[in-house]
Amino acid sequence: DTGVSQDPRHKITKRGQNVTFRCDPISEHNRLYWYRQTLGQGPEFLTYFQNEAQLEKSRLLSDRFSAERPKGSFSTLEIQRTEQGDSAMYLCASSKGAEGGTQYFGPGTRLTVL
Amino acid sequence: QKEVEQNSGPLSVPEGAIASLNCTYSDRGSQSFFWYRQYSGKSPELIMFIYSNGDKEDGRFTAQLNKASQYVSLLIRDSQPSDSATYLCAVIRGGSYIPTFGRGTSLIVHP
Repeated sequence: DTGVSQDPRHKITKRGQNVTFRCDPISEHNRLYWYRQTLGQGPEFLTYFQNEAQLEKSRLLSDRFSAERPKGSFSTLEIQRTEQGDSAMYLCASSKGAEGGTQYFGPGTRLTVL
Repeated sequence: QKEVEQNSGPLSVPEGAIASLNCTYSDRGSQSFFWYRQYSGKSPELIMFIYSNGDKEDGRFTAQLNKASQYVSLLIRDSQPSDSATYLCAVIRGGSYIPTFGRGTSLIVHP
């Protein structure tokens, strides 16, 4: 399977704990995006990388959120001191070249904060 | 005002009918427009993109763009029950690589 993969698919944690998600993009894609999606809403942009550089981060994103993409390959998204409001589906997507909007999404990580 | 507006629906159409999904956007600098389909419990998948005013057809799907009126629409001809899903409109401003998504319109095609 050469699509975007995410791990884990589901995560249940207690409030205050830290969680980390991983995304493996399509290998030749240089752009990688993280989104958050809640029920009844479209994906909300969190941050994006071009190769290993984090080029933009949503101003709505709390300092508790951090993302990395070492060596321009896979990416991790960490949420520190989780809150119940962080419960959502976290989606990763990748794209290449000038086709910023032609994104390929992974299956997502469903986070539940108790 | 949200940047990308879509009626959440649901839009219910009979099998074989034309489904018309609409999206309006507020940023006049928007240059690229995308339609994604999202089945329940799944992640979005790209259906079509359109950059220029007018119509673009791909099989049963037609995207229509009117930049002057700031709307983009998706027509689905000969709707099938398998088309039942949420359709997300996404818009990218010129010079950016970050799409802004609408909340999506739920489409139900009943036999």
